[in-house]
Amino acid sequence: EIVLTQSPATLSLSPGEGATLSCRASQSVGNYLAWYQQKPGQGPRLLIYDVSKRATGIPARFLGSGSGTDFTLTISNLEPEDFAVYYCQHRSNWPLTFGGGTKVEIK
Amino acid sequence: QVQLLQSGAEVKKPGASLKVSCKASGYTFTNYGINWVRQAPGQGLEWLGWASTYNGNTNYAQKVQGRLTMTTDTSTDTAYLELTSLRSDDTAVYYCARGGGGIWFGELSWFDPWGQGTLVIVSS
Repeated sequence: EIVLTQSPATLSLSPGEGATLSCRASQSVGNYLAWYQQKPGQGPRLLIYDVSKRATGIPARFLGSGSGTDFTLTISNLEPEDFAVYYCQHRSNWPLTFGGGTKVEIK
Repeated sequence: QVQLLQSGAEVKKPGASLKVSCKASGYTFTNYGINWVRQAPGQGLEWLGWASTYNGNTNYAQKVQGRLTMTTDTSTDTAYLELTSLRSDDTAVYYCARGGGGIWFGELSWFDPWGQGTLVIVSS
């Protein structure tokens, strides 16, 4: 099973700042990594798939990068609605797994 | 629009069985697999398994294998999750999620969209 480790666990930032979220895989997942956003009381929403492809309707301030075992989600110019928990997920092989999440909170 | 509508909240006793439904609309059901993911209170996301809506193939997480059955009904565009021998640590919100890539990207996929979630409480 591929273990995805996200860091940091919590990121405290102010609106307008940039956020850099990391996801590290225990073995290569190629380019098969996705990112999700989850707000309190809501289900997750797909942001990015296959490392860098933005899902429909996702603003350009969300940027995914990386390959192999190291991946980054960069959120530029944080908007109030961006404060949430973010998860990464691989689709390299079975079982599919998620990272533990990074909470982006208002400083 | 593409939508997954899940059945309502459930309260179950330990040892009981659970069945959650997920009705799809807004797309061709058999072109996309259905995954199930759960989230225990205050915890992260846990993938439970995948079911093909095309041929009924499944793949389950080892943790729930033996207790979990995923089925799909193409006559009603509905997917089902059945979990038996419930335990207190099965308490969670259960989500269905469409395999985002569809048949064009294979079985292993991202998840898009997600259902609204079904709260399941297992308690004596």
